[in-house]
Amino acid sequence: KAGVTQTPRYLIKTRGQQVTLSCSPISGHRSVSWYQQTPGQGLQFLFEYFSETQRNKGNFPGRFSGRQFSNSRSEMNVSTLELGDSALYLCASSAGRALGSYEQYFGPGTRLTVT
Amino acid sequence: AQRVTQPEKLLSVFKGAPVELKCNYSYSGSPELFWYVQYSRQRLQLLLRHISRESIKGFTADLNKGETSFHLKKPFAQEEDSAMYYCALSGGNTPLVFGKGTRLSVIA
Repeated sequence: KAGVTQTPRYLIKTRGQQVTLSCSPISGHRSVSWYQQTPGQGLQFLFEYFSETQRNKGNFPGRFSGRQFSNSRSEMNVSTLELGDSALYLCASSAGRALGSYEQYFGPGTRLTVT
Repeated sequence: AQRVTQPEKLLSVFKGAPVELKCNYSYSGSPELFWYVQYSRQRLQLLLRHISRESIKGFTADLNKGETSFHLKKPFAQEEDSAMYYCALSGGNTPLVFGKGTRLSVIA
């Protein structure tokens, strides 16, 4: 079974721009979660989608948004980029309906650098 | 509020020595606790969860509700255990909350 894939792997953007990151979950997984990982804050939950519906959202500003498609692939968008948005963005998929109860399978991440 | 604390950023042990990675949590209900591991140049992956009560790669973790702890233990450390370890908590139908991680370095 192919693992979780994320594209692109690396991205450099300028302040004020917007960016879209993509995540393809493991086949059959309907839950996709997004995390931001930084050296200072560690892993922070952004949001989670299940069957195209956002079920949970972390404590991030509205500039961070996401969506999930009918094939369970997910995208996250960050608008009006700030220097502090530089981070590794991880996507994880899960087979279960109960968020958190099932093993989450992580992708390799997208390294976003904002200059 | 859910919170996970891993007090040690870095833990260095000699090969063959016992290892204990500490994790304390704050949660008012019945938590589900996990340990995730990230080896060098690999993805974050689940190591073990408290409900399965199994030993993975020689590691065990016991949930102590009285002390609100979920420490990860291994009796004899191996060099291949060197990695970043994250403790995580979920309320069942709530997102995973991760600790900031502990880097384990096993010295030959």
